[in-house]
Amino acid sequence: GAGVSQSPSNKVTEKGKDVELRCDPISGHTALYWYRQSLGQGLEFLIYFQGNSAPDKSGLPSDRFSAERTGGSVSTLTIQRTQQEDSAVYLCASSLGGGNHNYGYTFGSGTRLTVV
Amino acid sequence: RKEVEQDPGPFNVPEGATVAFNCTYSNSASQSFFWYRQDCRKEPKLLMSVYSSGNEDGRFTAQLNRASQYISLLIRDSKLSDSATYLCVVVRLRDYKLSFGAGTTVTVRA
Repeated sequence: GAGVSQSPSNKVTEKGKDVELRCDPISGHTALYWYRQSLGQGLEFLIYFQGNSAPDKSGLPSDRFSAERTGGSVSTLTIQRTQQEDSAVYLCASSLGGGNHNYGYTFGSGTRLTVV
Repeated sequence: RKEVEQDPGPFNVPEGATVAFNCTYSNSASQSFFWYRQDCRKEPKLLMSVYSSGNEDGRFTAQLNRASQYISLLIRDSKLSDSATYLCVVVRLRDYKLSFGAGTTVTVRA
């Protein structure tokens, strides 16, 4: 597609439920990031996929969080047993990656997750 | 120490003023640098890349100082529409991982 697509745009879930957030990057982009942003706060790095390399998971806040990227394209971020502190906007970004990083990164419009 | 640090501001300036702010980074093996702009409750959007020789894009000028490990953004003739949070982004050479600063808030008043 023309841009990075994220779904759903909004998600309200009950505490303790699992949620899946989807990111569809720009076609051909090998690098994909997940960030989250709480209201009025900066971007918090979660996970980074670069091509076929092992993902950098160093930003995942707990083992309730996991992400996968199938076929080097679509990525799913899964949060198990959601907690209220998980409420945030989850942003996905992609880029051409590797030596083409000079072209910058394009963000999706995010998924606003609210845990009640 | 954070990889990327920014003065959070806010910088409150009148229309037409010039405003400038810096971003420092800790990893000398950083490859690329960007400024992003984020409006309230919106996703970040690329404002401009930062090149070693410095570069301009209209009213915006970006500079890189590798020796002192900082980049800067200068906005001339500020417009009300320039009000936003400006995020500094640094790309690590080793694996092209990017790091964001927490942002500098600029408010342009009429």
